[in-house]
Amino acid sequence: QVQLVESGGGVVQPGRSLRLSCAASGFTFSSYAMQWVRQAPGKGLEWVAAISYDGGNKYYADSVKGRFTISRDNSKNTLYLQINSLRAEDMAVYYCARGVRGVITPFDYWGQGTLVTVSS
Amino acid sequence: EIVMTQSPATLSVSPGERATLSCRASQSVSTNFGWYQQKPGQAPRLLISGASTRATGIPARFSGSGSGTEFTLTISSLQSEDVAVYYCQQYNNWPITFGPGTKVDIK
Repeated sequence: QVQLVESGGGVVQPGRSLRLSCAASGFTFSSYAMQWVRQAPGKGLEWVAAISYDGGNKYYADSVKGRFTISRDNSKNTLYLQINSLRAEDMAVYYCARGVRGVITPFDYWGQGTLVTVSS
Repeated sequence: EIVMTQSPATLSVSPGERATLSCRASQSVSTNFGWYQQKPGQAPRLLISGASTRATGIPARFSGSGSGTEFTLTISSLQSEDVAVYYCQQYNNWPITFGPGTKVDIK
């Protein structure tokens, strides 16, 4: 069965960096575009970034452009999100999700999320 | 950016009754539109894509309709396990955007 397991979250000081990972299993990872979506405490869903199946195309929300980098290693079935210059407003649960087809697409499988807390 | 708005913010429905949720896009998204269900403490789950196609394993009591800028999610007979927040999403244009959500609870 399809599984997505995020890791790498934690308590981080403002201005520091963090790398989130999403380990995929149960499907051919290299055939699917992948996404990151975040949810601040008590708030709604915010799409963050997307990457094509081969890593050749990447897309970002304006709120994170220039600070976040999405990447993938298809040999390790793993998706990454590098977060630099953390801000208070980046505090959220970060979900990875699989795209149904193509890069701009609904998301049919989600991980359980990893919490990023920004605190000094 | 396409702005998604949802109404109502909260919906209280008696068990077995119909629940109707609405979502509006600030510009046409054709049928590049989906609905998600999120229960407390859980990740979102895809219910509907293409505005009206149920995702795998979604019960038939969930149905979606609409195109362009106006969309509706109907739960034909509300069950206790349907208590959740429901989000709409457009994937017609970058950035992908979600609505603010409708909270559905039992009356």
